[in-house]
Parts: sequence; structure tokens; C-alpha cells
Amino acid sequence: QSALTQPRSVSGSPGQSVTISCTGTSSDVGGYNYVSWYQQHPGKAPKLMIYDVTNRPSGVPDRFSGSKSGNTASLTISGLQAEDEADYYCCSYAGGSLVFGGGTKLTVL
Amino acid sequence: EVQLVESGGGLVQPGGSLRLSCAASGFTFTSNWMDWVRQAPGKGLVWVSRINSDGSSTTYADSVKGRFTISRDNAKNTLYLQMNSLRAEDTAMYYCARDWGGLSSWGQGTLVTVSS
Repeated sequence: QSALTQPRSVSGSPGQSVTISCTGTSSDVGGYNYVSWYQQHPGKAPKLMIYDVTNRPSGVPDRFSGSKSGNTASLTISGLQAEDEADYYCCSYAGGSLVFGGGTKLTVL
Repeated sequence: EVQLVESGGGLVQPGGSLRLSCAASGFTFTSNWMDWVRQAPGKGLVWVSRINSDGSSTTYADSVKGRFTISRDNAKNTLYLQMNSLRAEDTAMYYCARDWGGLSSWGQGTLVTVSS
């Protein structure tokens, strides 16, 4: 149950696009199409942004998109807005359990 | 509206026990798997445990296996986490989450502090 690998931080200017990677193994990210992404603002509970690799829950802007290639999943945020500044976590099914990434702090410059 | 409300956190000495509760409303609790996720102060999210819809199947992170027990009372729409033999490293905010197309809904969390 090793944590998935995410960059510690990413940044971008308003209107730009950023991509956050999430690298696992064939036992988690690469083995299942069950990767989800969560946004967490300081002092708040996490919020689901993407599930099953590419699906957006109702109410999540289409600026958020997900993808996967091999053992690496990615979250892309286009048209960055100030309110997107937050911590982002990936999560994968791992054969009965779940495993999270270490989290990525997104700074909107 | 989906609501998850955790309770039961607090200060406990190392080696002690606590039982967390999560009251669910606004969705069909009996049809959903549920999870506990924790977050140590200033750290990332860590999955703790999962239970299926009727309570017959449970899984745990290695770090809590044998010490924590997840359960549910579908008649009361309530999820539980019994935590025994608590350690300092169990100090965290504990969140319950509805497991439906990802962890689709989260409670506000309950803080557990393990300290002498």
C-alpha cells in the first residue's frame, strides 16, 4: 500500500492550463480504471472532481479533465481561476483497498 | 441533499480506545459502500478502511489492521469506526465518505488526538 506519486507543487497564471500527474504501479493505477481526483481547500473537506479516470460529477466545471496512460493518471485544469488554488489528491483502487497520492499544491499566480 | 456527520473524536491517551460515528442522510445508505479516510495535521489524505453495503465485507490499511474495526448499522443509517490500541501516529482528522463513483460525498471530519 505505497502512496501514489504526485508532484509536491504546480503553478500557473489565470487562464493557463496545468496538469498534475499521479504515478502508481500495475497493481493500482495501471491495473484498474478507478482513479479519482479530489480538491481540498484549507480547513475544508475534500471534494470529488473526477472519478473512474475521466468522469466529472455533476457540478464540476468542464475545465477539469482526467486521463490515464499506463501507470500514470493525470488531472488537467484549463482556464485556471483563482478559486482553483487548492491541494489536489489522486486516489486509485488497489484490489480491495484504496491508495491516495501524497497531494499537490496548486498555486494560481 | 447528501449529509454525512462524524462524531466521537477527542483526546485519548496512547493505548486507549475511541469509537467514531458517521450519521448519513439524503441518500440510500443501505445501497452504498462507505469508507474512512484520515488526515494527520498538515499532511495528506490516507485511506483507512472500507465496508460494503450490507456490512459483510471489510478491508483495512495495513497501518490499522488488527486495531481498528469498521461496521455499520443500516437501520440507523450510521457508520462506525472502533479504534483500539491507539498510537500517537493515529492523530488525525477522520472523515467518512460515501463510496459511489469515487468518494462522492464527505463529512466535515472529527479530530482524534492521541497524546498523554
